[in-house]
Amino acid sequence: GENVEQHPSTLSVQEGDSAVIKCTYSDSASNYFPWYKQELGKRPQLIIDIRSNVGEKKDQRIAVTLNKTAKHFSLHITETQPEDSAVYFCAASFSDYKLSFGAGTTVTVRA
Amino acid sequence: KAGVTQTPRYLIKTRGQQVTLSCSPISGHRSVSWYQQTPGQGLQFLFEYFSETQRNKGNFPGRFSGRQFSNSRSEMNVSTLELGDSALYLCASSFRGEGETQYFGPGTRLLVL
Repeated sequence: GENVEQHPSTLSVQEGDSAVIKCTYSDSASNYFPWYKQELGKRPQLIIDIRSNVGEKKDQRIAVTLNKTAKHFSLHITETQPEDSAVYFCAASFSDYKLSFGAGTTVTVRA
Repeated sequence: KAGVTQTPRYLIKTRGQQVTLSCSPISGHRSVSWYQQTPGQGLQFLFEYFSETQRNKGNFPGRFSGRQFSNSRSEMNVSTLELGDSALYLCASSFRGEGETQYFGPGTRLLVL
């Protein structure tokens, strides 16, 4: 089955700086890569996703890059703000109706 | 449009008991997935249902089962509860379940004593 590894497990950044989270996946057939944000005590919510036919996608301060050859994808958050503090999960899926999640990255933005 | 709902929100059970959790997807969504979330293991896939059929199952023992009804509502059951089953159980819904945004419910927090 699909195995997704996520690094780092914790990340502390100064407000205004950038944050980068990296994930690798094992199944080269994976074609859908979403990122979820989970604030304390709340449900995970999709923040951005990318498909295997696209190398990069951007939405305001958030961007995701995908390297299919190396089987890794990354989340980039620029100009971090206190409200960006949360746990971020990457995930990958092939056409098997199953999302495999990384273990999560706890991001803390210091004021 | 109402979001995904789950009932109950909290449950306390003792070892050996069984439990049934319910998930109502967003109206029009036919795919429902279940996940177990624990601090050490993150989000682990349990199973996915579409049109009352289980299309995939994660690596969990047979004590974990589920079903989906004709209105797309889904239930999961855990029999013979163990202490290690204590977790947040999340369900998520989408239209077709393949390569789409999954919308999560608030979860059911299960504590097994």
